[in-house]
Amino acid sequence: DTEVTQTPKHLVMGMTNKKSLKCEQHMGHRAMYWYKQKAKKPPELMFVYSYEKLSINESVPSRFSPECPNSSLLNLHLHALQPEDSALYLCASSQDKLAGATYEQYFGPGTRLTVT
Amino acid sequence: TQLLEQSPQFLSIQEGENLTVYCNSSSVFSSLQWYRQEPGEGPVLLVTVVTGGEVKKLKRLTFQFGDARKDSSLHITAAQPGDTGLYLCAGVFTDRGSTLGRLYFGRGTQLTVWP
Repeated sequence: DTEVTQTPKHLVMGMTNKKSLKCEQHMGHRAMYWYKQKAKKPPELMFVYSYEKLSINESVPSRFSPECPNSSLLNLHLHALQPEDSALYLCASSQDKLAGATYEQYFGPGTRLTVT
Repeated sequence: TQLLEQSPQFLSIQEGENLTVYCNSSSVFSSLQWYRQEPGEGPVLLVTVVTGGEVKKLKRLTFQFGDARKDSSLHITAAQPGDTGLYLCAGVFTDRGSTLGRLYFGRGTQLTVWP
């Protein structure tokens, strides 16, 4: 099973709203990622969690707040977003190097976010 | 700075034609992955190449990894409308002291195959 699930599939929110995106994997992967993707562009890395600890923050504005409650779950809390934050938000997971992995990342279907 | 150069950016062809997508870098990558993405969906992993000179086949898709592990290509034979999508190459460079292999993406190739 190489499935990564994400909810919701679509989200429309106002600039004053607070919402959360959720991601789940049951592959035993210990690295999880958040990406932002604009239309016809490659995904842009936002955050990386390794063993439930934040290891990379790609200078993402504080209105995006990630959280990793356990090894299977990853959340992205959203607050006071701007219209330019509208995009497809992708979650991915991969094994850790110690497991002899080839760093293959498996992506979820994404959340289409629209900020009005 | 784009670590991975992917070309062409757009490709529009007729059903039955062959095509090749290229992915090049000045850096050596420990592995390289190819993904295919449909609109509104997440990228789906097609293949991972690890060994220099490696060739992998997936039905009508042939993937090659350069001997120096700095370039890769994806060749599709007899393209079909179902092959339409965004093709992404992504290289893994192992950060020193890190247990993660960060994934660097090419710009993508938008392929359209007309019936």
